[in-house]
Amino acid sequence: QKEVEQDPGPLSVPEGAIVSLNCTYSNSAFQYFMWYRQYSRKGPELLMYTYSSGNKEDGRFTAQVDKSSKYISLFIRDSQPSDSATYLCAMSDGAGKSTFGDGTTLTVKP
Amino acid sequence: EADIYQTPRYLVIGTGKKITLECSQTMGHDKMYWYQQDPGMELHLIHYSYGVNSTEKGDLSSESTVSRIRTEHFPLTLESARPSHTSQYLCASSRPRTGGLLGDNEQFFGPGTRLTVL
Repeated sequence: QKEVEQDPGPLSVPEGAIVSLNCTYSNSAFQYFMWYRQYSRKGPELLMYTYSSGNKEDGRFTAQVDKSSKYISLFIRDSQPSDSATYLCAMSDGAGKSTFGDGTTLTVKP
Repeated sequence: EADIYQTPRYLVIGTGKKITLECSQTMGHDKMYWYQQDPGMELHLIHYSYGVNSTEKGDLSSESTVSRIRTEHFPLTLESARPSHTSQYLCASSRPRTGGLLGDNEQFFGPGTRLTVL
C-alpha cells in the first residue's frame, strides 16, 4: 500500500465550479502537507502548505488537514480555466524528503 | 520564479547511448533531488543529495548514477540508455532546514527533461 493515496481523477468541471481534491495517507509522522500545481510540460510549483492540522486559505484556495483521519483536501472556489493543471499532494515528516501523491488532472472548461 | 535549470528539455536517443541530464540551481541550496515521472503517474524519487560529495539512492531503483561535486550542479547519467528509461526526469532543490516557514520541506522544481529512448 502506498503511503500517500490521491483521488485519481481526471476531473473536468465548468468554469465557476467548486473543486475538491483529496489525499489520504498512512504515515502518522507526516507534519507538513503541501499542494503542488504542475502545468503541462513544466515542473511542479508549490501552491499551498499547512503545518499539522487545520485550515489555510489563500484567495480562492483552501487547504484542509485532518490528522485524526489522515486526510487532506484542497478546495478551489470559482474555478477558472487557468486552474487547469495537475495537482499533487505532498507530505513530509520534516526530514527533508517529501512523499508525493500520483496527482489529479483538473480541466476547467470555459 | 525558482532558479533551477535543466538541460536538455527534450532528448531523443538510441538504445545503448550514454547520456547525462544536467541540473543546476543558483539559489545555493544544499539539498537536491532527481525524480522520474511518467505521464499521469506519481513522482518517484530516484536520487538525492544533502550536499557536496553526498549522494543517496531514492525510493525507486534506477540504473542511473549522480554526482555532486559542486553545490549548484547535480547531473544524472545513464551509461547505456534503454527504451525502459523513457520518461520525464525532474530535478529539484530545497532550502536549508532553517530557511523560511517550510524549511527544507518545500522543493523547487526545474522544468524537466523529457527523455525518449528508441
